[in-house]
Parts: sequence; C-alpha cells; structure tokens
Amino acid sequence: SYVLTQPPSVSVAPGETARITCGGNNIGSKSVHWYQQKPGQAPVLVIYYDGDRPSGIPERFSGSNSGNTATLTVSRVEAGDEADYFCQVWDSSSDHNVVFGGGTKLTVL
Amino acid sequence: QVQLVQSGAEVKKPGASVKVSCKASGYTFTSYDINWVRQATGQGLEWMGWMNPDTGDTDYVQNFQGRVTMTRNTSISTAHMELTSLRSEDTAVYYCARGRRGEGYKYYYYMDVWGKGTTVTVSS
Repeated sequence: SYVLTQPPSVSVAPGETARITCGGNNIGSKSVHWYQQKPGQAPVLVIYYDGDRPSGIPERFSGSNSGNTATLTVSRVEAGDEADYFCQVWDSSSDHNVVFGGGTKLTVL
Repeated sequence: QVQLVQSGAEVKKPGASVKVSCKASGYTFTSYDINWVRQATGQGLEWMGWMNPDTGDTDYVQNFQGRVTMTRNTSISTAHMELTSLRSEDTAVYYCARGRRGEGYKYYYYMDVWGKGTTVTVSS
C-alpha cells in the first residue's frame, strides 16, 4: 500500500515560516490535501488539490507538490497555528484508497 | 450552513456492536460521499471506508471487512456506521466526513466537512 511520511514534529518561532513535508513515491503525480487538527477538535481542511485554499483559510497557508515531496507552508506563524497537520492522498492501486500521513505536530515556540 | 452532526458518546463491552449516526444539513445529502475516519487517543487518522448516499454503494478497508456496515436513510439525510465484534483496540473517536472527488489535471479526493466526532469506548 502507498505510504506517506511526515516528520513527527516541527517547531518555529512566531512570525517565522513553518514548512511541513509529506513524502511519498512519486507523490507529485497525486493530488495532496492537508488537514489541521487542534486538540479535542475534528480535522479541518486547510489545503486541497496541492495548493488551493478553502474559503476562510488564511493566505498564510500554502502548499506545493513535486517529485517525491509535498510541502505545507505556514507563513508568519501565529500561536493559533499550533496543531497537528496531516497530509492525505487518494491511491487507486491499494485497498486503502484514502491514505493519511502519520501527522506532524507544529509547535509555536 | 453545511454541517455534519454526529450522535453521542458510546460505551460498549467487548464483543458488542455500536452504531454511530451522522446527520447532514445545508447541502444535498445524496450528492457527496460520506467517509468514516477513526482516531485512537494520541494516534493518527485511520480511514475506514466510504459510502455513496445516492446509490448506497460502499467501499470498506479490508481491515474492517466483515465487521463494518455503512448505511443511510436519505429521507432524514443521515448516514450510519455500525461496527460489530468490538474489541478494546476499537476505542477511538469516530468521525464522519463529506467526500469531494473529481478530475482536474490530476484525480482528487478529499474531505471538506467533518463531524465533531463520536467517542466510542470499549471496556469490560
């Protein structure tokens, strides 16, 4: 089955830029979506189709996808961005059509 | 507004079954898939499968085959997920989520609206 690999944690100071990676074999050929999950809350879609933002998501959130790595970038990080972030793709070749990465905890120092 | 409202927390004994409901509002229920995703405490997201509310077609992850059933009642815009033969490892928060699929220059499938989750605890 298809595997998505995320770093367990990323730390950044307020106002800096956080980059969270999601690695997968030729992931650039797939559409990547990102979810933010704060403690005790349901996930929220923050990026879909590699780099599109749903309405209501700040422009500080952006995404890119090429080769074997997709990246979620959070610019001008705020304390409220501290959360777990999960990447997700659709893999038609496996039983697990919807595949999630293991998640990355973003800590704002 | 578009939302999914889930049923309340459940406590079950090993070997029992649980049925979680997910009521949709603010959109046409039959136009989008309903997915079920679970999350054990401190763990990641685990996709269980999806259902097409229009046709009733389902697709379950093999891990849950034979134990999970996803159904719907279109007259009340509600989806259900039943999990049988519960064991302690099934203790988790269960989410329903609306699926969006399509084909741009790449096929895409993502979940744009999530319920708040239903906590299922399996304990003797």
